Amino acid sequence: NAGVMQNPRHLVRRRGQEARLRCSPMKGHSHVYWYRQLPEEGLKFMVYLQKENIIDESGMPKERFSAEFPKEGPSILRIQQVVRGDSAAYFCASSPADNYEQYFGPGTRLTVT
Amino acid sequence: SQKIEQNSEALNIQEGKTATLTCNYTNYSPAYLQWYRQDPGRGPVFLLLIRENEKEKRKERLKVTFDTTLKQSLFHITASQPADSATYLCARGTGRRALTFGSGTRLQVQP
Repeated sequence: NAGVMQNPRHLVRRRGQEARLRCSPMKGHSHVYWYRQLPEEGLKFMVYLQKENIIDESGMPKERFSAEFPKEGPSILRIQQVVRGDSAAYFCASSPADNYEQYFGPGTRLTVT
Repeated sequence: SQKIEQNSEALNIQEGKTATLTCNYTNYSPAYLQWYRQDPGRGPVFLLLIRENEKEKRKERLKVTFDTTLKQSLFHITASQPADSATYLCARGTGRRALTFGSGTRLQVQP
């Protein structure tokens, strides 16, 4: 059973560009979470999604950030007009419907130049 | 707000000893606490989940406790090995599944 997959693993964007981060959950997992880890800081929750629904986006910045988990395909975290402060590791996790354990992907390291 | 506090200082122990890491939380007790391991440059790896009504949980050399009176969870690694060296994260669950993580404690096991 393949684990959570994220791509790209590394992403470099210039200020003002858009960043798209992809996450494929583990097979059989219907819950997806996105977390951000700034350098030398802890993991911060951003958003929790189920198929076609955003369940909790209390950790998501109000502007420029959006997330989706379509019926078909991976979950996408989209950051518009990136700024240097967006540079961080973005982790996706998934869990099955009947369990609270979260399984993390390897992360996407975003660098904004 | 609900916080998770972990000792930010690194913990250095000798191989074979028991490592004990502390996690304190504020406000009301969470429904569950989770412990993860994170190696540099990698995603966290789930280790153990303990529910509010459970005092103790074990898995191989790992043991976690949950004390709602002290608002504290302890994470133990017995017979520690250099391969156990990593950062260990404590996280509290909310009613909506989002996890609030502590900043982690780095464990270094000396051979």
